[in-house]
Amino acid sequence: QKEVEQNSGPLSVPEGAIASLNCTYSDRGSQSFFWYRQYSGKSPELIMSIYSNGDKEDGRFTAQLNKASQYVSLLIRDSQPSDSATYLCAVNPQGGKLIFGQGTELSVKP
Amino acid sequence: DVKVTQSSRYLVKRTGEKVFLECVQDMDHENMFWYRQDPGLGLRLIYFSYDVKMKEKGDIPEGYSVSREKKERFSLILESASTNQTSMYLCASSLIIGGNEQFFGPGTRLTVL
Repeated sequence: QKEVEQNSGPLSVPEGAIASLNCTYSDRGSQSFFWYRQYSGKSPELIMSIYSNGDKEDGRFTAQLNKASQYVSLLIRDSQPSDSATYLCAVNPQGGKLIFGQGTELSVKP
Repeated sequence: DVKVTQSSRYLVKRTGEKVFLECVQDMDHENMFWYRQDPGLGLRLIYFSYDVKMKEKGDIPEGYSVSREKKERFSLILESASTNQTSMYLCASSLIIGGNEQFFGPGTRLTVL
């Protein structure tokens, strides 16, 4: 069983829409959760971190964490073509190293 | 801002060569990591280090070794490069192991012929 699971996509949304990216994890004791954006041929770039249940907003990005259900999501409001990238979910199990999901490819169509 | 740099963006080597990939971070981070990333396989941890001269195996250490002589520098060594080591290699650093964000370097695209 994969420890961090994401839909691989591609997820296609029209420009201006809300993109919703989801991630589930298996280690119930996980404490820290991160979203990275990776453009093709580039390295992952941290865009959000979340540590407690609920929502965390940063500009057009909102991370949502539900530890009871073991999922974390990323919402991108007013999606732009420049948001087209692969989004990696990363989870830090208790005392452990970051575990990355396979990533969800997002395509925002003009 | 954290800056992680890697010695080369692109590298072409021949089978059997010894290959050194260098990574330097400027934020006094304790921990440094080496990953490889391949299509369909995601990010896989090769080795990490939580202190100078300390190293721990990751998920796929076979065929690799590492060196951390100074806090800011973490080197990945391919003792005898093989074609199946053709990949994107990513270095990352973090302040602490548990709960802290990892920051990535630009990556090295290694091709072994």
